[in-house]
Amino acid sequence: QLQLQESGPGLVKPSETLSLTCTVSGGSISSSTYYWGWIRQPPGKGLEWIGSFYYSGTTYYNPSLKSRVTISGDTSKTQFSLKLSSVTAADTAVYYCARGSPTIKFGVVIIRPDLDSWGLGTLVTVSS
Amino acid sequence: QSALTQPRSVSGSPGQSVTISCTGTSSDVGGYNYVSWYQQYPGEAPKLMIYHVSKRPSGVPDRFSGSKSGNTASLTISGLQAEDEADYYCCSYSGSYTVLFGGGTKLTVL
Repeated sequence: QLQLQESGPGLVKPSETLSLTCTVSGGSISSSTYYWGWIRQPPGKGLEWIGSFYYSGTTYYNPSLKSRVTISGDTSKTQFSLKLSSVTAADTAVYYCARGSPTIKFGVVIIRPDLDSWGLGTLVTVSS
Repeated sequence: QSALTQPRSVSGSPGQSVTISCTGTSSDVGGYNYVSWYQQYPGEAPKLMIYHVSKRPSGVPDRFSGSKSGNTASLTISGLQAEDEADYYCCSYSGSYTVLFGGGTKLTVL
């Protein structure tokens, strides 16, 4: 059974880089059948898509975060990671990793919003 | 990009039906049949309830149904049960390889 587990520091200082890892067990991130994504949720607020990673190495980012986000995958360790630079208090949130299903149309990968497996989430607080 | 628009809250009595709307634009909800709905209990991760506008993953009760008309998608829960009380989020592909979530709707079972 597929399981996803987020890990990383729970406290990050303003202006520094937030780094999280998602470890996938019971599945492989090198499969073309799925993509792997990060979603966050500020306390008491709604969900925000951060970005996604496809097995080919292609990444897709939320335009509002694109300048600060890097998502990458390590197929040998069945892990994928999130780096968010220059963080502020507004980046305080529960960060989730999840698996989704893409559609390939005419060679173009469409990131369908079908996230069928999620990690439990990890709270990251940005504070000095 | 703006979040998809959902009502902040809806409510219904046990056994009744409720519908949650999700309004976007022709660039997201109206432009693709890639709309999903998630249920989230406090302190838990979201759970996929509907995908491809109206399809249900295995294990999701058929009381949950989805539809779309123009730029608005809808989630209908029939035969409302106490356990349905949760937050619900819509989500849509929005072109340019991006995904948009709605602001979320709190469902209260009276």
